[in-house]
This record gives sequence, C-alpha cells and structure tokens, in this order.
Amino acid sequence: GESVGLHLPTLSVQEGDNSIINCAYSNSASDYFIWYKQESGKGPQFIIDIRSNMDKRQGQRVTVLLNKTVKHLSLQIAATQPGDSAVYFCAEREGGNKLTFGTGTQLKVEL
Amino acid sequence: DADVTQTPRNRITKTGKRIMLECSQTKGHDRMYWYRQDPGLGLRLIYYSFDVKDINKGEISDGYSVSRQAQAKFSLSLESAIPNQTALYFCATSVRGIGHEQFFGPGTRLTVL
Repeated sequence: GESVGLHLPTLSVQEGDNSIINCAYSNSASDYFIWYKQESGKGPQFIIDIRSNMDKRQGQRVTVLLNKTVKHLSLQIAATQPGDSAVYFCAEREGGNKLTFGTGTQLKVEL
Repeated sequence: DADVTQTPRNRITKTGKRIMLECSQTKGHDRMYWYRQDPGLGLRLIYYSFDVKDINKGEISDGYSVSRQAQAKFSLSLESAIPNQTALYFCATSVRGIGHEQFFGPGTRLTVL
C-alpha cells in the first residue's frame, strides 16, 4: 500500500530560528495534505492543511509547501518558540474522510 | 470544557479480559473515529462512523469492535484483550465535508498484561 513518511525523526532548533519539518508521500490521489501537532500527553491538534491543487499555504507563523513533482510536503515554523516543542505528523486524505498519518517528527526547541 | 472526552484515561487489564473505551463529544459532529498510536508507527485507524447507523472498518480492525450509541458517543471494545493491544487510543471527530480536520480527544493509555 501507499504510505506517508517523514525524513527526520528528531529536529532540534534554537529558539527564534525557523524550523522546517519534511514529509514524503506516495499517493498521488490524495486531495488534502495536513499537518498535526501533538504535545506531550495530549491528542493531535490540527495545524494547517493544503489542497492538492495548491503549492503553498500560509497560516500564523506556519507555512506548508507542497511539491507534487517529487511528492514532498514541508511545514515551516517561523521564529520557533518553546511552545512549539511537540511531535508533528503529516497526514494525507485520499478522498472521503479517512486520513493516513506519517510516523511523526519530534521538534525540540533549545533555549 | 473539553469538546472530545475519553474514559478511562488510563487502564491496566489482563490478557483475555473484555474492555470498553468510551468517547463522547459536544461538538455536534456527525463523524467519529478511533485510532491507535504506537511508538514509531504514528496513528492507525481502527474504525470510523459517519452517522449513528454507520460503522466502517479501518486499517487495523481485527480484535476490536465499536458501537455508535448516539451521535455524541462512540465506544471501542476489545473482546479479549491481548498484550500487543497495549497502546495509546484516540477518539476523533470531524464535520461532514471537512474530514481532514479532525478533533482529537486526550487519549486512553491501555496496558494489557
């Protein structure tokens, strides 16, 4: 079957720096790509999504980039803060409401 | 004021026991999901329901069953628990048409001895 995966299991950044979390996907039929944030002891929380017909979408301090040519998704966090420390999951939706999640990247923000 | 609640939050049980995990939501969403999370494997879908009379198997439904008693309640049962069902379980909800934005409960940590 097709899968969603992440390039780096752990990413450490200095407070104030920008963070980039990457994800590779293999299902060309997915219509939405999504990023979720999971803080310790909590359930995942929706951050931002991007539709498959777009290549960039910006939110508050976050930007998601989609490169369909190489099937790559990234999440950029500007001016990373200690509160950004969490596990970040990419996910894809193949139509309907079912999501396939990646394995997650741990983001650690160093003071 | 949690919108999606799960009970219990932690549970330790023995092999062969029947156990039920419950999920309730006050968001008014019609779609509900059960996921399992294991270290290094991300979240995997167990069952999902689009309405009270609708039940669908997910990626890893073997050994599990569900019941959608009302729009606001979705329970997950392990008929005869086994140690490899030790995991973190999450319930989630979504609105029809925006299924990629799911709202997760706080999780239930289940340990099967």
